[in-house]
Amino acid sequence: GEDVEQSLFLSVREGDSSVINCTYTDSSSTYLYWYKQEPGAGLQLLTYIFSNMDMKQDQRLTVLLNKKDKHLSLRIADTQTGDSAIYFCAHDTAGGTSYGKLTFGQGTILTVHP
Amino acid sequence: GAGVSQSPSNKVTEKGKDVELRCDPISGHTALYWYRQSLGQGLEFLIYFQGNSAPDKSGLPSDRFSAERTGGSVSTLTIQRTQQEDSAVYLCASSLAGTGGMGTGELFFGEGSRLTVL
Repeated sequence: GEDVEQSLFLSVREGDSSVINCTYTDSSSTYLYWYKQEPGAGLQLLTYIFSNMDMKQDQRLTVLLNKKDKHLSLRIADTQTGDSAIYFCAHDTAGGTSYGKLTFGQGTILTVHP
Repeated sequence: GAGVSQSPSNKVTEKGKDVELRCDPISGHTALYWYRQSLGQGLEFLIYFQGNSAPDKSGLPSDRFSAERTGGSVSTLTIQRTQQEDSAVYLCASSLAGTGGMGTGELFFGEGSRLTVL
């Protein structure tokens, strides 16, 4: 199957770390992605990880991939009120040499309190 | 323009009418996607066009939904005999998807067309 599951809500205080989790069932992905959607806007790519990596760090963002458990997480350090948004986990479905279509999770609504 | 453009941004229609939603992808992008975003439902895949290949229509929810992509560029999503459950934001995205190492397959999204069926 191609299910991608995320928890729906996460609430944190400004300055704390946020961890958003995602599980998926398709093991043939080439890339796994985190997209961010701000209110009234389309989705924008936040970061991605190649499937043969287990960690990627990009400034305040850390992506962890556990291929064995098919678990992906996004950690945001020093979370700011501007990080409040919906975060979508996604993966491609073709594997191998082509990207194919992306399958998205339901999205996690992150709320950051001052 | 530089990004993915969708029109109309908002559409209110009566149940039973047909609607057309338009997507203008980023120039040169070979792949184009339509997704539907309903409240509490996340992103639902509808259809995927890649180059000259036959589109992947596996996500279209019923035969009232159809899409075409003319000349490998602009796409139109048509919903016939609209129902209230069709109310949602319809998102279009494009990418440089392809074989063997062309970038990361990143999708660039438009801002969506919000459809309300009364």
